[in-house]
Amino acid sequence: GQQVMQIPQYQHVQEGEDFTTYCNSSTTLSNIQWYKQRPGGHPVFLIQLVKSGEVKKQKRLTFQFGEAKKNSSLHITATQTTDVGTYFCAGVTPSNTGKLIFGQGTTLQVKP
Amino acid sequence: GAVVSQHPSWVICKSGTSVKIECRSLDFQATTMFWYRQFPKQSLMLMATSNEGSKATYEQGVEKDKFLINHASLTLSTLTVTSAHPEDSSFYICSATRPLSNQPQHFGDGTRLSIL
Repeated sequence: GQQVMQIPQYQHVQEGEDFTTYCNSSTTLSNIQWYKQRPGGHPVFLIQLVKSGEVKKQKRLTFQFGEAKKNSSLHITATQTTDVGTYFCAGVTPSNTGKLIFGQGTTLQVKP
Repeated sequence: GAVVSQHPSWVICKSGTSVKIECRSLDFQATTMFWYRQFPKQSLMLMATSNEGSKATYEQGVEKDKFLINHASLTLSTLTVTSAHPEDSSFYICSATRPLSNQPQHFGDGTRLSIL
């Protein structure tokens, strides 16, 4: 079936270091979305990428969508303790109207 | 503010009890809502797609007689876990999306269900 693989599963960084999580889909996506879930909380929408090769920035966060629309990455520059949480990518395929296929998530720990 | 409200946030009950969870979209009409299940330290697993006015579409391996979904109005979907057992203990989250295409999903706060 359709899958979205996300790596790494866990990442521990020192505050101020950079962090990147990667997603790869087995099929071409119509769009990819990124969510952040804090411990004990629910997923919160961060951004959506639709166009091939698209790059979007939100302050220290940079999101990329691959040219083939099968992979994506989230890069955080100079991490802060407030960045702690689990980051999920979620893809939408052309045939799955609105249905999200979630990656496994990357849990980020930031040491002060 | 929150655009999707989920209630209750926490349920503890005895084995054999049926539990109803409500998901409401607060400021838009949601023709489609989604129900997920999440185990500790794992990703969200889609259980079913709830469609207003029609039967829910269940994912493979999800028992429709166990997890009853009703989407009676454009702002409310309910998930009933029937005759719950300890293995049904989990974090259940709903989401709703605005009717236009390519819209993100807005998640409720989730319901932590513990069956004793």
